[in-house]
Amino acid sequence: AAGVIQSPRHLIKEKRETATLKCYPISRHDTVYWYQQGPGQDPQFLISFYEKMQSDKGSIPDRFSAQQFSDYHSELNMSSLELGDSALYFCASSSWTVKDIWRDTQYFGPGTRLTVL
Amino acid sequence: DQQVKQNSPSLSVQEGRISILNCDYTNSMFDYFLWYKKYPAEGPTFLISISSIKDKNEDGRFTVFLNKSAKHLSLHIVPSQPGDSAVYFCAASRLSTSGTYKYIFGTGTRLKVLA
Repeated sequence: AAGVIQSPRHLIKEKRETATLKCYPISRHDTVYWYQQGPGQDPQFLISFYEKMQSDKGSIPDRFSAQQFSDYHSELNMSSLELGDSALYFCASSSWTVKDIWRDTQYFGPGTRLTVL
Repeated sequence: DQQVKQNSPSLSVQEGRISILNCDYTNSMFDYFLWYKKYPAEGPTFLISISSIKDKNEDGRFTVFLNKSAKHLSLHIVPSQPGDSAVYFCAASRLSTSGTYKYIFGTGTRLKVLA
């Protein structure tokens, strides 16, 4: 089965520009999570969506927004980019299943490497 | 405040021997723990998980141990293989008020298995 797909894989932007990152979850997964991983750091949770509604919010700057669409794909929109936004951005997806009814395991995409110049 | 810590940034092990990666956490509300493996330029790959109602979970060469009283978990890989060389992240999760499970990741341990 196909895993989580993220596009683009690499993105280079200038300061103050905008960027849009896309995430396509595993088929039938209904929850999407976004993480930011800076150089030498652990992934930091940004935001999550369940059934197209924002479910949780982490350390996401106000300059960023995200949404989940009817086909469950998600987009992370980043405006007024700063040098410090250069990082790997991971999307993960999960699903409530009968087997794991009280637990979801997040499966990660390959990430988008954003470089802000 | 780092709620999930991996105090060893790197570990080298001979092929065929046991690799032990450690993880400590501070929040007693965490009730589900996972290990992910990450290669360069790839996303984290789920390895194994354990819920707080268990103290051990095995899957092939991978075993995770949980010591709730010590707030400590470990991942054992035996026998270690060169293909296991990667960065390993532990993650802890708890149910958030919104009904989803937010993960807190450790800082990672780079494992190198020597042939």
